[in-house]
Amino acid sequence: EPEVTQTPSHQVTQMGQEVILRCVPISNHLYFYWYRQILGQKVEFLVSFYNNEISEKSEIFDDQFSVERPDGSNFTLKIRSTKLEDSAMYFCASSEGFGQRDYGYTFGSGTRLTVV
Amino acid sequence: ELKVEQNPLFLSMQEGKNYTIYCNYSTTSDRLYWYRQDPGKSLESLFVLLSNGAVKQEGRLMASLDTKARLSTLHITAAVHDLSATYFCAVDTSLTQGAQKLVFGQGTRLTINP
Repeated sequence: EPEVTQTPSHQVTQMGQEVILRCVPISNHLYFYWYRQILGQKVEFLVSFYNNEISEKSEIFDDQFSVERPDGSNFTLKIRSTKLEDSAMYFCASSEGFGQRDYGYTFGSGTRLTVV
Repeated sequence: ELKVEQNPLFLSMQEGKNYTIYCNYSTTSDRLYWYRQDPGKSLESLFVLLSNGAVKQEGRLMASLDTKARLSTLHITAAVHDLSATYFCAVDTSLTQGAQKLVFGQGTRLTINP
């Protein structure tokens, strides 16, 4: 079964440092997403991406965040200057379609980001 | 703004018992997902409910959707320890709000005791 792959599985970084989280979505999927989950809390939407541009973003996704699809396979989330409150599990997801009734979202295994 | 509320948030039950988790949402949607999450793990898709009156079953889990009441339920029948996990419902806003995202409930942490 096709998978969404995320690397690294765990990243520890110092406050103020930049981090890049990487994702390889399922190859025939067109829509890509980042979600985050602070420990013990619900999953929160960050951003959706289609056709090489952001299609939707949440209030959490401020100027310190950016996304990119640098080549045909990778999808990255960059946090420019990490804060302690950025510590969370970050999930990448992809889907085939938008507005179609029979597609689903496939989530990756997540990257646990710890900011110290 | 779409709000998704689950209850209960914590549920401890004995093996063999039945119980239901409820998911209410605040605006019109006709697509709802249920996910399972084990501690420290990713989100495993359980059910996709696409229309009013949809009912799906897999093993001891059954999910239903009432779009008029804006309510989905996840029913557990004769619970077994392996079902211990956190269960999330999530509402898809793409058809009704044109926004490509899922809005998640708070999650229900289910513990099944032998």
